[in-house]
Amino acid sequence: DQQVKQNSPSLSVQEGRISILNCDYTNSMFDYFLWYKKYPAEGPTFLISISSIKDKNEDGRFTVFLNKSAKHLSLHIVPSQPGDSAVYFCAASAWNFNKFYFGSGTKLNVKP
Amino acid sequence: ETGVTQTPRHLVMGMTNKKSLKCEQHLGHNAMYWYKQSAKKPLELMFVYSLEERVENNSVPSRFSPECPNSSHLFLHLHTLQPEDSALYLCASSQDRSGPPNFGPGTRLTVL
Repeated sequence: DQQVKQNSPSLSVQEGRISILNCDYTNSMFDYFLWYKKYPAEGPTFLISISSIKDKNEDGRFTVFLNKSAKHLSLHIVPSQPGDSAVYFCAASAWNFNKFYFGSGTKLNVKP
Repeated sequence: ETGVTQTPRHLVMGMTNKKSLKCEQHLGHNAMYWYKQSAKKPLELMFVYSLEERVENNSVPSRFSPECPNSSHLFLHLHTLQPEDSALYLCASSQDRSGPPNFGPGTRLTVL
């Protein structure tokens, strides 16, 4: 059973607007969450993380929000740029799991 | 430069061939991983090595055989694969098993 789900396989956004990528999880033990970005022909690169003691973490144009009660996290990109076009994966783990569970990814297309 | 390199980047093989994928990490990390990425599916964790010892094998068929000769190198030996094994194979490393994986560029494998 898939414990981390990204229900939108793709998202299209105009340059300069906000991109919101969503991720849901089922295991209430998860307490550490990651977002990765993947360009074609490259491996995923780590983008931003959040632990369950926070509900928001910001790094430049990227902000991750965590809603523990809803078991939901989201990645906001503001403003979106064409170079942000990539596949975005979320991942989750717990302190004693020693591994990360990944979603299936959302392909973001930022139109100029 | 992610610090994790993989060779070859592309591989086409027949079902009766034997081949090996190679991964090298230059980060001084203690844990190394093999993941499989199939289209529109979550990243699947295949094997985990921690301090050169295999600590996890996620029900991977025996036609996939990992080898970790030292903390910097990881191999995935392939034999008698099936067409459904065609996928992107990603190597990753992390400081320890609780840390975010740092991925290599992947090997795109096609089994004919």
